[in-house]
Amino acid sequence: EVQLVQSGAEVKKPGESLRISCKVSGYSFTSYWIGWVRQMPGKGLEWMAFFYPADSEAKYSPSFQGQVTISVDKSISTAYLQWSSLKASDTAMYYCARPRSPGSRMSAFDYWGQGTLVTVSS
Amino acid sequence: EIVMTQSPATLSVSPGERATLSCRASQSVSSNLAWYQQKPGQAPRLLIYGASTRATGIPARFSGRGSGTEFTLTISSLQSEDFAVYYCQQYNNWPPYTFGQGTKLEIK
Repeated sequence: EVQLVQSGAEVKKPGESLRISCKVSGYSFTSYWIGWVRQMPGKGLEWMAFFYPADSEAKYSPSFQGQVTISVDKSISTAYLQWSSLKASDTAMYYCARPRSPGSRMSAFDYWGQGTLVTVSS
Repeated sequence: EIVMTQSPATLSVSPGERATLSCRASQSVSSNLAWYQQKPGQAPRLLIYGASTRATGIPARFSGRGSGTEFTLTISSLQSEDFAVYYCQQYNNWPPYTFGQGTKLEIK
C-alpha cells in the first residue's frame, strides 16, 4: 500500500528555520518525482516544487524559488521541505504528493500526504 | 503561467441531482487536466486525470470531459459524501502547474 506520512504540526516564530518531512512507503522512492503543495488558510492549492530522487533534480515554481528548499534522503525514503527564515505569510498547510506515472512530472498526483500545518507567529 | 478559472465559485445542488462544474484554461493544456476533491481537514483526492479518465476507486457518477481550454466535471447523482470543494489542475506546462481557485459544492 502506497503511503505518504508527513511530520506533525509546527509552531514557529518569524525568522526561525524549519524542515518538514514526508516519509513514503509502498513503492520505489527513486522511481517517482515527489512534489509539495501549499494551501494557505481558507485558500486554494499552489504547487511549490518537485524533486526527482533518482537524479536529485529539483524544480521550483517561480513564486517559491529561493524561498524554500526541497531535498530527500533516499536511505529512508523521505522528502523534506525546508525554510531558512520563516515569515508569517508561510503559515499554511503543506502537502507532499506523488504523481501517477513513474519518472514523470507531467502527471496527475494520486497519492497525497495528510498535510503538515505550519504556523508562524510572534 | 497558465491561469485556470473555475465556475461557479459555489454551486448549490440537492442530493440526487446532477452537478456540472466548469474549468477554463488561459491557453491550451491539451488533455493534461486533473480534477481533485477536497473535504474539510483532508488532503485533495484525485478524481479524474487526462481530462476524462476516472482514478482508481472513483465511482462512475463522476465524469470529466474536454480538451484544450474548456473542461467540465459532472457528478450525475449527488450523494451526501460528494459535497466538498473541487479543484481542476493543469499539468501540461511547468512552471508552475496551476490549480483553479475551486468550486464549493454545497447542499441546496
